[in-house]
Amino acid sequence: AQSVTQLDSQVPVFEEAPVELRCNYSSSVSVYLFWYVQYPNQGLQLLLKYLSGSTLVKGINGFEAEFNKSQTSFHLRKPSVHISDTAEYFCAVSPQGINSGYSTLTFGKGTMLLVSP
Amino acid sequence: DAGITQSPRHKVTETGTPVTLRCHQTENHRYMYWYRQDPGHGLRLIHYSYGVKDTDKGEVSDGYSVSRSKTEDFLLTLESATSSQTSVYFCAISGRGIEQYFGPGTRLTVT
Repeated sequence: AQSVTQLDSQVPVFEEAPVELRCNYSSSVSVYLFWYVQYPNQGLQLLLKYLSGSTLVKGINGFEAEFNKSQTSFHLRKPSVHISDTAEYFCAVSPQGINSGYSTLTFGKGTMLLVSP
Repeated sequence: DAGITQSPRHKVTETGTPVTLRCHQTENHRYMYWYRQDPGHGLRLIHYSYGVKDTDKGEVSDGYSVSRSKTEDFLLTLESATSSQTSVYFCAISGRGIEQYFGPGTRLTVT
């Protein structure tokens, strides 16, 4: 079984400042890793994913994340945030070695990013 | 955006009544999922489908049933709604890739 811990429930930050949203996971097998973003009253949108290869993954809207296997972490970063980045961010994992196209996602509880002027 | 619609988008119902939520996709993806989202819990998997008439339980399946008679439609039924089932329900799909794509959600209130 997998579990995901998002260490901060809320992260307040000023516009144009850098931000890091932390995600740690626990799993007895290798995993795929994902970050999703949820804007108010909307569904979840995939920000980025780590499947294999380079541990630094770039996603949409200027976000990036780094997979650290030894620390079992997949922290999300952005060098300069905008007001429009205000949203809830979810980290999720899925075990590797399963049928293509099918995944069992385990989500963290989410981190609310609050960007103020 | 992935072609996923959910209906209804909002529903208020009384305790003890049956409720059916519909997820419709136009992507011809094989896998479909139902999640519920509650404050402080993130998203939790209710049921999923790996093909027409092929479904299985997720983490929080008690009180819910599903059906999939066509590739494009995945129905979630609450046989007798309870207040603990007040939640936002999301449908998701996955196809060739591992990642899942989510619908816009249905906000269900059980009074």
